[in-house]
Amino acid sequence: AQSVTQLDSQVPVFEEAPVELRCNYSSSVSVYLFWYVQYPNQGLQLLLKYLSGSTLVKGINGFEAEFNKSQTSFHLRKPSVHISDTAEYFCAVIRQGAGNQFYFGTGTSLTVIP
Amino acid sequence: ETGVTQSPTHLIKTRGQQVTLRCSSQSGHNTVSWYQQALGQGPQFIFQYYREEENGRGNFPPRFSGLQFPNYSSELNVNALELDDSALYLCASSTGTSGVTTDTQYFGPGTRLTVL
Repeated sequence: AQSVTQLDSQVPVFEEAPVELRCNYSSSVSVYLFWYVQYPNQGLQLLLKYLSGSTLVKGINGFEAEFNKSQTSFHLRKPSVHISDTAEYFCAVIRQGAGNQFYFGTGTSLTVIP
Repeated sequence: ETGVTQSPTHLIKTRGQQVTLRCSSQSGHNTVSWYQQALGQGPQFIFQYYREEENGRGNFPPRFSGLQFPNYSSELNVNALELDDSALYLCASSTGTSGVTTDTQYFGPGTRLTVL
């Protein structure tokens, strides 16, 4: 079975400060990893995904994430946040070779303080 | 703007009733997935349809059923509604082929269902 743990339910950060949103997963097989963002009253939007290759993945809006297989982590980072980054962020996994079921974490609410 | 639309935006039903939620995907997206997102939780996978056939199902009872149509629209039907069915229901479409969903999923804004 798979599970995704987002260790922080709420993260307040001042504007232009760096931020890291943590995600750990457990799986008996290799996985693909994703980060999604959900703005108020909207659906989810893909930020970035790791399928293979370089463990450092760059996404939209200046976000990046690093896959660490030994620590089973896929933390999301941004060096300088903006007010517009205030949203809910979800980490998700899919098992490799078992195609189509996403497992989402419970989400991290990022609030950027002016 | 993902090009995925859902209707209605909000819906109120009473326990025991049946509900149909609708999703219109982007043209050419032959895969659609449905998710249930309870308040304060991440989305939970209900099922996926690929070329009008169910292609995987999460841990949801049979009273949750779906249909996918050739015009890239789809439906989620829930029978015998329970209070715990109150949630945001999201659909997501992609061009992924059967069994592989690493292609980007495009989510609709969701339908907020309240069961009283």
